[in-house]
Amino acid sequence: AQKVTQAQTEISVVEKEDVTLDCVYETRDTTYYLFWYKQPPSGELVFLIRRNSFDEQNEISGRYSWNFQKSTSSFNFTITASQVVDSAVYFCALSSFTGGGNKLTFGTGTQLKVEL
Amino acid sequence: GAGVSQTPSNKVTEKGKYVELRCDPISGHTALYWYRQSLGQGPEFLIYFQGTGAADDSGLPNDRFFAVRPEGSVSTLKIQRTERGDSAVYLCASSLGVGGTDTQYFGPGTRLTVL
Repeated sequence: AQKVTQAQTEISVVEKEDVTLDCVYETRDTTYYLFWYKQPPSGELVFLIRRNSFDEQNEISGRYSWNFQKSTSSFNFTITASQVVDSAVYFCALSSFTGGGNKLTFGTGTQLKVEL
Repeated sequence: GAGVSQTPSNKVTEKGKYVELRCDPISGHTALYWYRQSLGQGPEFLIYFQGTGAADDSGLPNDRFFAVRPEGSVSTLKIQRTERGDSAVYLCASSLGVGGTDTQYFGPGTRLTVL
């Protein structure tokens, strides 16, 4: 069965600090995709990144970076120089193609609070 | 362009009543997904459509839940004889196709409260 674990329920940092959000996943699929979504207070899930299981290259996009390590089944997300606008709940998700389609299994989310 | 829209944004109903939740996907997206998000949890898959047909409804909790997408665009999630445990945010997402590279874009959700 698919499972995504986000052990950090809530993280509080001061603006400009770097913060890493952890994600550990379980799957029996050999081909899968991993995602990060941001859910601000408004409630709408915003897509941040997709990674496929064959590409372990780290990715950087502005202040965001992602570290995918298949050996430890982890897909961690780092925000550099955090800002108040980064405050949100962040979800890691794993795709499954069992039965067709692209169903996402989400973790329970990490609430990030960035304070001045 | 327009994103995924959902109506109503909030729905309050009484236990035992019937409700319909509507999702309008991004134009041209063939795949449509419904998820349910309870307080403090991540979204959980309910059902998805490829075109007009429900390709996988394995996440629907019981037969009180049903969804349709008659013309391959707008979808309606229907809940009969609502129970207090049905209270949650119901999220809709759409994607171009059903491949792994087809990103799902989510709507703002409908917050359902069953009294």
